[in-house]
Amino acid sequence: QPVLTQPPSASASLGASVTLTCTLSSGYSDYKVDWYQQRPGKGPRFVMRVGTGGIVGSKGDGIPDRFSVLGSGLNRYLTIKNIQEEDESDYHCGTDHGVFGGGTKLTVL
Amino acid sequence: EVQLVESGGGLVQPGGSLRLSCAASGFTFSSYAMSWVRQAPGKGLEWVSAISGSGGSTYYADSVKGRFTISRDNSKNTLYLQMNSPRAEDTAVYYCAKSGTMVFYGYLFDYWGQGTLVTVSS
Repeated sequence: QPVLTQPPSASASLGASVTLTCTLSSGYSDYKVDWYQQRPGKGPRFVMRVGTGGIVGSKGDGIPDRFSVLGSGLNRYLTIKNIQEEDESDYHCGTDHGVFGGGTKLTVL
Repeated sequence: EVQLVESGGGLVQPGGSLRLSCAASGFTFSSYAMSWVRQAPGKGLEWVSAISGSGGSTYYADSVKGRFTISRDNSKNTLYLQMNSPRAEDTAVYYCAKSGTMVFYGYLFDYWGQGTLVTVSS
């Protein structure tokens, strides 16, 4: 089973952009990854799935165009442009084989 | 609007039992596989168990196999998780999550509930 590694924290200023990274362990470069947003005190919300070719399928309901993904090698990226206060959340990645990363807490400055 | 509302969490003693429920609305419940995913305090997410839309196929993480049982009542639009012989390490917020397909495949969860806290302690 792969291991997913996420930085525990990230920050960005209001209106800026930020890229969150989810790294697969060696040997799993063909795995797809799902991104989930979890606002404080709420359940997770599906953002979108990403492979090495980019987005797989559709974004989750209500996910704005400011959110985009990219996949390269062992890394799966989630980029948020024009960050809003409502984007302050924990962001989790999970593989299509049932393993999750530890999550990244995004703080909006 | 899809809604998933968990209930049944609380304090349970090690070796006891507890049943969690998840009431679903806003979609054709029997057409989709459902899962339970948990999050221990300060930790990441962990998939626990899944069941197909018909209820005929069930799946478990090794950490709960033989102790937890997933089931569903499609006439009541409700998902269950029977937790037997819980351990301290089962302490977590338990979320029910909907899959995008009737069969359980690919671990993509497109809707989640708000969670219910289970604390295993004497």
